[in-house]
Amino acid sequence: GAVVSQHPSWVICKSGTSVKIECRSLDFQATTMFWYRQFPKQSLMLMATSNEGSKATYEQGVEKDKFLINHASLTLSTLTVTSAHPEDSSFYICSAQPGGSGDPLAKNIQYFGAGTRLSVL
Amino acid sequence: GENVEQHPSTLSVQEGDSAVIKCTYSDSASNYFPWYKQELGKRPQLIIDIRSNVGEKKDQRIAVTLNKTAKHFSLHITETQPEDSAVYFCAVRGSTLGRLYFGRGTQLTVWP
Repeated sequence: GAVVSQHPSWVICKSGTSVKIECRSLDFQATTMFWYRQFPKQSLMLMATSNEGSKATYEQGVEKDKFLINHASLTLSTLTVTSAHPEDSSFYICSAQPGGSGDPLAKNIQYFGAGTRLSVL
Repeated sequence: GENVEQHPSTLSVQEGDSAVIKCTYSDSASNYFPWYKQELGKRPQLIIDIRSNVGEKKDQRIAVTLNKTAKHFSLHITETQPEDSAVYFCAVRGSTLGRLYFGRGTQLTVWP
């Protein structure tokens, strides 16, 4: 299956600093990537939809100036948590959806990264 | 937006028994229904999916059934094994931007 790489897997930072998380599709082009946040024992909460070459679409209640998303290429999207605070501590997961001229059925599928556990002290 | 309900939230079965998890959705235009398995601290893994033009799909011990009229779909796991223990999420792809709407998850525990 398709592989999505997410880095770092774990990060600890001081309050007020910024943290960048990378999401890469390793063997396919992803015109669309998604960023989720997951609290312990809870479901995946969509934060934003990232489309290559355009601005991300943020879900209601998600601050776009705090969670900066850049999708500069068909294989890379980044999420930057700016001025992080302890309440931003969470598990962040990206997913990528194939695009292009490949199997049309595969375009439905979202492949997930391994997640990034962020702890803000 | 789409409203996805998933039940039960926890499910315990004996090894070898079957497990069934059910989801309902609200948008009749939804057309894609994947199931993901997530082990503790790991990424969600797609285990099976079904599209709206199919009523049932099976892959070895795992099957999914879809009732479009009633707007519900179910995951069936037969001959459960301890390694099936995980959180299972259903999801629905709505008509907007390809985003998935996830259920709240079911913690499945298979006792040896």
